[in-house]
Amino acid sequence: GAGVSQSPSNKVTEKGKDVELRCDPISGHTALYWYRQSLGQGLEFLIYFQGNSAPDKSGLPSDRFSAERTGGSVSTLTIQRTQQEDSAVYLCASSPTSGGAAQYFGPGTRLLVL
Amino acid sequence: SQKIEQNSEALNIQEGKTATLTCNYTNYSPAYLQWYRQDPGRGPVFLLLIRENEKEKRKERLKVTFDTTLKQSLFHITASQPADSATYLCAFTPSGGYNKLIFGAGTRLAVHP
Repeated sequence: GAGVSQSPSNKVTEKGKDVELRCDPISGHTALYWYRQSLGQGLEFLIYFQGNSAPDKSGLPSDRFSAERTGGSVSTLTIQRTQQEDSAVYLCASSPTSGGAAQYFGPGTRLLVL
Repeated sequence: SQKIEQNSEALNIQEGKTATLTCNYTNYSPAYLQWYRQDPGRGPVFLLLIRENEKEKRKERLKVTFDTTLKQSLFHITASQPADSATYLCAFTPSGGYNKLIFGAGTRLAVHP
């Protein structure tokens, strides 16, 4: 079956521009997560969705970052006024429930801010 | 502060040997612990999950242990193969953490023929 997909796979942008990253979770998975992985670093939690609501946004690094999920499916992570320190791989994961379930990751979007 | 530590040095072993990777945590009360494999340029792939009330879990050549007294998890790959070469990540779900995962930095394993 289809796994988690993310688009674009790579994004190069100029400092100060806005970017949108998209995640298509596995069909039927109610929980969706965004993580960020900087070069040589571990994965850093950003935000969690259960259905269309986000009960945990504690990992968003600043108010330039926002995310939404519609129809209990597709999610978009938006970064406004990008900075060079935003350069990283942004990973999306989904799971069938939120209670201790395995998470299934997409391939990630590699963001480079010049 | 909450912290997860994995051996940052790469682990090099001979094919056929058992690889043992370590994950230590401080200031957590984890409800679940998971191990993932990550290959270069790819997203992590789930391997095993163990709950706080479980001591050991096995799946084929993989075994994970969870010691809440030592605040440590060990991940073993028996009869290792060159195809097992990858970075292995441990991750915790804090109690009440909505399955949010807190990841270690990962340990790179290289299995040599």
